[in-house]
Amino acid sequence: AQKVTQAQTEISVVEKEDVTLDCVYETRDTTYYLFWYKQPPSGELVFLIRRNSFDEQNEISGRYSWNFQKSTSSFNFTITASQVVDSAVYFCALSGGSNYKLTFGKGTLLTVNP
Amino acid sequence: DAGVTQSPTHLIKTRGQQVTLRCSPKSGHDTVSWYQQALGQGPQFIFQYYEEEERQRGNFPDRFSGHQFPNYSSELNVNALLLGDSALYLCASSKGGLAGINEQYFGPGTRLTVT
Repeated sequence: AQKVTQAQTEISVVEKEDVTLDCVYETRDTTYYLFWYKQPPSGELVFLIRRNSFDEQNEISGRYSWNFQKSTSSFNFTITASQVVDSAVYFCALSGGSNYKLTFGKGTLLTVNP
Repeated sequence: DAGVTQSPTHLIKTRGQQVTLRCSPKSGHDTVSWYQQALGQGPQFIFQYYEEEERQRGNFPDRFSGHQFPNYSSELNVNALLLGDSALYLCASSKGGLAGINEQYFGPGTRLTVT
């Protein structure tokens, strides 16, 4: 069975602070994919990143960076110099190599205050 | 290029009624997945359609059924509505059938309220 745990239910920061959202996953598949999605108040899920289990290189995209560590089954997401527009619910998700579905965590509500 | 569209945006139904939600995938996509997102929770996978067939199903009762049309659009039907069916229903489209590993594009969702 697959499982994604986002232990942080809510995080509140002040603008320009760095913030890290944690994601821990469980899977028996040797090939799997990890995702992060952003859900603003409008409700639409916005795709941020996909990583496969064979690529442990960290990735940086502008103010966003992701740290994938298979040894600890974690795929953490860091926003540098946060902005008010980053306020949203962020979901980590997992799919197995032969699994046609995404398993989501419960999400982390990030509030960035001016 | 139109993204994933869903209709209606909001819907209010009474317990015991039936409801149909609709989804049009992003242009060029042939695979549609449906998710249920209860308030304060992550989306839960309902099922996926590819080549007009249900390819995989999540842990949802038979009251939840679907269909995919030749133009790749899809419907989600829920019979005998329960209060617990109140949720945001999200449609996601992708290309190639293996939606779990391809980049999925999500629609804005349909907010269903059962009273």
